[in-house]
Amino acid sequence: KAGVTQTPRYLIKTRGQQVTLSCSPISGHRSVSWYQQTPGQGLQFLFEYFSETQRNKGNFPGRFSGRQFSNSRSEMNVSTLELGDSALYLCASSFSIRDRGQVDTYEQYFGPGTRLTVT
Amino acid sequence: TQLLEQSPQFLSIQEGENLTVYCNSSSVFSSLQWYRQEPGEGPVLLVTVVTGGEVKKLKRLTFQFGDARKDSSLHITAAQPGDTGLYLCAGEMYSGGGADGLTFGKGTHLIIQP
Repeated sequence: KAGVTQTPRYLIKTRGQQVTLSCSPISGHRSVSWYQQTPGQGLQFLFEYFSETQRNKGNFPGRFSGRQFSNSRSEMNVSTLELGDSALYLCASSFSIRDRGQVDTYEQYFGPGTRLTVT
Repeated sequence: TQLLEQSPQFLSIQEGENLTVYCNSSSVFSSLQWYRQEPGEGPVLLVTVVTGGEVKKLKRLTFQFGDARKDSSLHITAAQPGDTGLYLCAGEMYSGGGADGLTFGKGTHLIIQP
C-alpha cells in the first residue's frame, strides 16, 4: 500500500502571501489530520477532516484552513503568511472508529511533510 | 503547560550502549503511542500500548506503559547508529476520539555515534 504523500515537499513564500498544501492519505483511510511542527513547540494539532467535514480543530488562528475532497485527499491553506508560520507541516491519515466499527486506538500514519519557509 | 513531558530532551551516546527515554504525565491515557522521526521525514509509528503495565518488544526496543497509564518508557539495548532520530510519545486521552484527543510530547533527540 502506498503511504501518505504530501506536495510540495519544500516551499518558500514571502510574508503576506498565501499557500496551499496538499495531502493524499493511505488508500482506505478517511480521516486526515494536519499538524505544524516547530523546534520550539513540537507537534501541534491543526485540524482533522473525516468524510469531507472538519471533525476537530486545534488552537490556531482563522488564517489556517483546510478542506477534504470526496476521494479523502485534503488541502490546507494559510493566508496572509507570517514569519512565525515557517515550519514543517505534516499530514497524517488514520483509520476512524467508524471505519473499523469498534472502539480502537487512534494511530496516525504521517506523510513526509512540507517544509514551509516564510521570508 | 506541556501535558506530556519527555526526558531527556537530547541524548548522545556511543554505539553499543543501552538507553532509556521517558514520557511522563499527570493525566491518564487510554493508550500511548511511540513514533520515530528522521530528519526531513514524518514520524513513523513504532508501537501502541494500551493496558497498564503492558510491555512490548520490537527487536532491541522495549516499550512499557505504566501501571496507572500515566507514563511510558522506551528502552533501547545495544544502540546502533540507525536508531538515531527524534522519538515522540503521544497519549490518547480517550479511545477512538480522533486526532484532537492525541497529545504529543516534544520528543527526545537521540544520536548514536559510531
